[in-house]
Amino acid sequence: AQSVAQPEDQVNVAEGNPLTVKCTYSVSGNPYLFWYVQYPNRGLQFLLKYITGDNLVKGSYGFEAEFNKSQTSFHLKKPSALVSDSALYFCAGLSGGSYIPTFGRGTSLIVHP
Amino acid sequence: NAGVTQTPKFQVLKTGQSMTLQCAQDMNHEYMSWYRQDPGMGLRLIHYSVGAGITDQGEVPNGYNVSRSTTEDFPLRLLSAAPSQTSVYFCASSSDPGRQNIQYFGAGTRLSVL
Repeated sequence: AQSVAQPEDQVNVAEGNPLTVKCTYSVSGNPYLFWYVQYPNRGLQFLLKYITGDNLVKGSYGFEAEFNKSQTSFHLKKPSALVSDSALYFCAGLSGGSYIPTFGRGTSLIVHP
Repeated sequence: NAGVTQTPKFQVLKTGQSMTLQCAQDMNHEYMSWYRQDPGMGLRLIHYSVGAGITDQGEVPNGYNVSRSTTEDFPLRLLSAAPSQTSVYFCASSSDPGRQNIQYFGAGTRLSVL
């Protein structure tokens, strides 16, 4: 069984401040973890993924995510938020060999000028 | 590359009507899937396919049919629309579902059932 949780429906941050969007997972075996972003009236776009290796994964638009096995977390981070980062963010995960990723419920990130 | 193309972008139906949501991809991906997105519910998997001629049910398959006669196309059929099917529908495709599993999403179809 696999599940992904995003505990925050909404995150508010001021422009220029660091941001964190949280994700925890429950996946059997070695997890494959992903972050996607959805801008208004658009489909989801891939941001970054963790398959194996370094716990800090760097992705598009200056985003990065830290894989923490002991805490079963994969939080999305960015050192300095932009207003244009405002969007809906989805965490997804699956176990090795599975075809079907499980998505979290999404977190709305609002960056205030 | 066009990527994943969904048509129509918007649709209004009356209860009981049927329709087909079209999805096409030009990346030669084997894996395709349909999701619905509802407020507070995130993405829920309706049906998926791991190749031409192979389909399977996801989390919320009731009221929907799919077929996969070609690698490129994966249409979603609503048999008898109900207001509970008002949602935004996304089609996605992937080249390697087992490992890399980066999914490419279409722009979505916004469906209202009155």
